[in-house]
Amino acid sequence: EDKVVQSPLSLVVHEGDTVTLNCSYEVTNFRSLLWYKQEKKAPTFLFMLTSSGIEKKSGRLSSILDKKELFSILNITATQTGDSAVYLCAVEGIIQGAQKLVFGQGTRLTINP
Amino acid sequence: NAGVTQTPKFRVLKTGQSMTLLCAQDMNHEYMYWYRQDPGMGLRLIHYSVGEGTTAKGEVPDGYNVSRLKKQNFLLGLESAAPSQTSVYFCASNTGSLRDSPLHFGNGTRLTVT
Repeated sequence: EDKVVQSPLSLVVHEGDTVTLNCSYEVTNFRSLLWYKQEKKAPTFLFMLTSSGIEKKSGRLSSILDKKELFSILNITATQTGDSAVYLCAVEGIIQGAQKLVFGQGTRLTINP
Repeated sequence: NAGVTQTPKFRVLKTGQSMTLLCAQDMNHEYMYWYRQDPGMGLRLIHYSVGEGTTAKGEVPDGYNVSRLKKQNFLLGLESAAPSQTSVYFCASNTGSLRDSPLHFGNGTRLTVT
């Protein structure tokens, strides 16, 4: 069965710290891995990774994929209170024979001032 | 541009009652999805549709039905609500290719079944 596991499930840090969020996966016929940020409502798209070892970067956020070891990390440097959110990892896998997204449980990140 | 709109935002049902959640998108997307989100379990796919008039089961379809009579709308029905269906429900849409078009989500419907 396809699955995605995120760790830690919850993380509390101080503003200015750097954090690393982890996502490991077991999926059939891997195609891509996506990161989403979820504040109060709808998840919003951050990154899509398809190739191993290539870092995607957007401001203070960056992510990298290791297809051999089946994991990805999301780094946030110089954290701000606005980074507080649930971060979701999702992988394209097989559900009922069709290619669909499988989500992890999410990591709840809290940034204290 | 509204994107993906879900109605209602909140609802409380008694066990055994029925209701329909509406999702509307104005991006001309072919694919639409219904997910539920429960604490500690992430998002799980209930049903999805790859085009007008088509629907398919996801990971957790039992107790739900869906219809896609118009391309822009995707309805999720609960025929006889149960407390286990207390959850936050998200609708999403995309063009069909996740590489070209990551999922666009609505703001969710919080459903409580007592």
